[in-house]
Formats: sequence, C-alpha cells, structure tokens
Amino acid sequence: GDSVTQKQGQVTLSEDDFLFINCTYSTTTYPTLFWYVQYPGQGPQLLLKVTTANNKGISRGFEATYDKGTTSFHLQKASVQESDSAVYFCALVDTNAYKVIFGKGTHLHVLP
Amino acid sequence: EAAVTQSPRNKVAVTGGKVTLSCNQTNNHNNMYWYRQDTGHGLRLIHYSYGAGSTEKGDIPDGYKASRPSQENFSLILELATPSQTSVYFCASGDAGRDYAEQFFGPGTRLTVL
Repeated sequence: GDSVTQKQGQVTLSEDDFLFINCTYSTTTYPTLFWYVQYPGQGPQLLLKVTTANNKGISRGFEATYDKGTTSFHLQKASVQESDSAVYFCALVDTNAYKVIFGKGTHLHVLP
Repeated sequence: EAAVTQSPRNKVAVTGGKVTLSCNQTNNHNNMYWYRQDTGHGLRLIHYSYGAGSTEKGDIPDGYKASRPSQENFSLILELATPSQTSVYFCASGDAGRDYAEQFFGPGTRLTVL
C-alpha cells in the first residue's frame, strides 16, 4: 500500500543553519504531497502542498520539491530560526481510499 | 475564533470506564477525522466520516467507536478504556474533493487512562 517514510526522528540545528528533512514515499498513483507543521501544544497545520502539476511548494521560507525519479519530497529552509522549532510531518494522499498517510514526524530543535 | 474545537482538553479516566471525546467544527467541511498521536508512531487514523450519519473505520479502529450526529460534531467513544489508549487525540476536518489532505486540526485532547 501507499506509504511515507521519514527517517530522521530528531534534528538539532543552530539559528541560521540550513534545514533539510528527508521524506520518501511510495504510491501507485500520481501523488499529492504535503508538509504539515506542529508547534508545541497545538494541532498540526498545513505548511505547504505539492501536486504533479506544480512540482514545488513554497511557504514561510520553506520549500519542498517533488522528485518522481527518487520518489522524494524533502523539506528545506535556507536559514532556520528558533521559532521554527516544531514537529514536521510529511503526508501523502491515499487516492484509492481518500485518506491521508502521515510520516512519523521529524522533531526540529533550533538552538538560539 | 478557532474553527475546530475539542473537549475536554485533558481527561483522566479509569480502566474499564467509558470516555467520550467531542469535536466541533465551524468550517462547514463534509469530512471529519479522529487521530491519535504517540511518540514514534506519528499520527494514526482511528475513524473518519464523510458527513452526518456516516462513520468509517480508519487504520486502528479497535477499541473505539465514532458518532457523527451532525455536520459540525464528531465524537470518539471509548466504551471500555484501557491504559494502552493513553495518548493525545486530534480531531480534524476537511473538504470533500481532490484536496483530502488539506485538513484542519483541533488543539488536541490529552487522555490518560489509569
């Protein structure tokens, strides 16, 4: 079945460092891919979305590019801030069942 | 004015007791979802609904029931709570249509079963 893999459970960076969070997916259909962010004490919220039509999503300085060849959807940001500390989830629409499949999440901790 | 609200925000229950978690949305979305979040597991889908009167099993429905009496309200029911159901529960709503993953989450309910 469809799946999403985030291998990095935790990432610790300093302010102004470059962020890269890995996400790979598996699906038999053309995917719609999402990154959600969850700040402490809150529910997840949509950060950005990418479909096969646009290939790249950009929001709040974050960027993710869909690569069909490597089935990857990595999240990047050029310069992180302490306020970016949160859990980041990669997600895939299961088009057969119209459900969402979430990765296990990557906890980003940015040191001041 | 939060669009998805959950109550209670915190709950302590005893093993074998009945627990009801409530969710209300003002987005006028057709779809609603219940997830649980545990360290190392991410978000796992328990039940979901396509509209008033409908409920569907998600990936981990055992031990849970759901009720959707209206467009706005979606409840998760633990008839016989067990310690393994200690978790943080999130409700979400979303439009029917292509963008199923664009979901709007509530603030969560922290449930502890002793």
